This record gives sequence, C-alpha cells and structure tokens, in this order.
Amino acid sequence: GAVVSQHPSWVICKSGTSVKIECRSLDFQATTMFWYRQFPKQSLMLMATSNEGSKATYEQGVEKDKFLINHASLTLSTLTVTSAHPEDSSFYICSAWGQPGDGYTFGSGTRLTVV
Amino acid sequence: AQSVTQPDIHITVSEGASLELRCNYSYGATPYLFWYVQSPGQGLQLLLKYFSGDTLVQGIKGFEAEFKRSQSSFNLRKPSVHWSDAAEYFCAVEGRGGSEKLVFGKGTKLTVNP
Repeated sequence: GAVVSQHPSWVICKSGTSVKIECRSLDFQATTMFWYRQFPKQSLMLMATSNEGSKATYEQGVEKDKFLINHASLTLSTLTVTSAHPEDSSFYICSAWGQPGDGYTFGSGTRLTVV
Repeated sequence: AQSVTQPDIHITVSEGASLELRCNYSYGATPYLFWYVQSPGQGLQLLLKYFSGDTLVQGIKGFEAEFKRSQSSFNLRKPSVHWSDAAEYFCAVEGRGGSEKLVFGKGTKLTVNP
C-alpha cells in the first residue's frame, strides 16, 4: 500500500530558529498533501492543504507566514516553522491522498520541541 | 458543516473482551468514512474505510465497522481485544464533493487490562 515518509521524527530547536519538516510519498505521486497539528491528548487539527506547484491553502487561524509550506514536486511537501517559539511545540503530521480507494496515508509524525 | 462525534473519550476493556467504539457524523449526504488508530508518538494507521456497497466493512487487525445510514453512525467493533490494541482511535469523514479534507472526531483512548 501507499507509504508516506516523514522526517525528522523528532526535533528540538532553540526559540527564534526555523525548523523544516519533510513529507514524502513513496511509490506514488501526491498532488495534494495535508499538514496537521496535534496537541497532547487531542485530535488532529488541519493546518493547511499543500498543492503541488501552487500555493498552499491554509485553514482559518493558521499563520501562513509562520508555517511555510512548499510542495515543489509530486512526492515532496515541506513544512517550515519559522521563528519558532515554545508555543509552537507540538506533534505535526502530514498525510497524502493515495490511489483511488486507498484513502489517506499518514506520515509517522514529527515531535517538535522549542526551548 | 461536517462534524464527527466520538462520545466516549476513554474506554477500558479486559483482554479478550469484545469492543465497540462509537462514531456519529453530521453531514448532508453520506460521506466517506474512516477509522484510524494511533499509537503514542506515532502517525495514524488506517484500520478500515467505507466508500459504498456492503455496510459491514472488514479492516485490518480483526476490526470491523458497520455503517448505519439511519443512525448516521459508523461504529467500530472487535470481538476479542488484544493488549496490543491499546491506542487512540479516531473516526473521520470526508465529503464526496471533492474537497478531500478529512474531519476527525476527538478520538477514543482504549486501555486494555490484562
């Protein structure tokens, strides 16, 4: 089945620095990928929809200048948390729509800790 | 707007007991329906999905779910729970209008007692 690879699985960064998270679709092309944020013991909150070759679509309340999304190829989307602050610490998960009938495939997530 | 309700925040069952996790949705038409499982610190794994056809859907790990249109429900079941089933379970829906956005329930945490 479809596989989505997400890296890194965890990262610790200093306040004010930027962090890039990669999401790759393996063995299939994903014109659309999704980025979610999950707070402890809560459900997933959709942050943005990443579209290959065009600008991402952000959900209401998500700062597009804070969370930069680039979907430069059919197999790679990146999320960059710019000027990270402790409140950005969270679990970030990407997903991609695979082959018809496969539903969504999720990456393994990235635990971001900003100190 | 689409919404998904998982009424049970936390369920505890004994190993070997049967399990049912509830999911109700609110949507104008029948959406696509999914159940995902998440282990701590991990991404989500698809257990099963309903697109059309037979309303009883078989998934991985011995799980099944039944779509009931009249009740707008898509409850997840397993006849005999294993300790490794302890995890967070999410029900999700997606509209058929091409939006391709998943809407998740808040999740049900499953604890399995030995």
